[in-house]
Amino acid sequence: DAGITQSPRHKVTETGTPVTLRCHQTENHRYMYWYRQDPGHGLRLIHYSYGVKDTDKGEVSDGYSVSRSKTEDFLLTLESATSSQTSVYFCAISDSLTKNIQYFGAGTRLSVL
Amino acid sequence: ELKVEQNPLFLSMQEGKNYTIYCNYSTTSDRLYWYRQDPGKSLESLFVLLSNGAVKQEGRLMASLDTKARLSTLHITAAVHDLSATYFCAVDRDSGGGADGLTFGKGTHLIIQP
Repeated sequence: DAGITQSPRHKVTETGTPVTLRCHQTENHRYMYWYRQDPGHGLRLIHYSYGVKDTDKGEVSDGYSVSRSKTEDFLLTLESATSSQTSVYFCAISDSLTKNIQYFGAGTRLSVL
Repeated sequence: ELKVEQNPLFLSMQEGKNYTIYCNYSTTSDRLYWYRQDPGKSLESLFVLLSNGAVKQEGRLMASLDTKARLSTLHITAAVHDLSATYFCAVDRDSGGGADGLTFGKGTHLIIQP
């Protein structure tokens, strides 16, 4: 998985609790992304980062925040988890906008009860 | 709103047959990506098509891009069971090629039966 580690791989939590997912890369790639995958929706972009402390919203950012204090780590936080945030979350990285091939982590399966 | 539409969304075919998956998109981007996903696994990059008329081939898979028609195809030749997977096409959210991430189609779930 191109030097990308997502943690945890699986998590079950309760509605209203905060949750943080971590994406760690060893490739020193500049660009990092969080997507969620739901049946019938493909993958949808939540947030992305184009450098340390530089982040922006994607198409489904409500209820999520991110932080990137180091090149290698990109954190996704659900401030107060809801059942609609039950999903599989994928982190992706890219090193070049010339081709912009994105390499994906193994995913985190999150269930909000 | 940027749209990426794949069809069919589900395809069951026999080994040895040929078939084509279609990907239509609404952006003016010159780049298109194809990914493969096995059940319960991550996404694997298959092809990056970088300009109009681009054609890429890997084994029994061939992808092409027509930017004027805003259409990409993924052609499967003489299908084998190992090609069973879900295939996604995607385009840049920023048609100018920025860092804004990708917009994906909903995926084509392909089952190849003996």
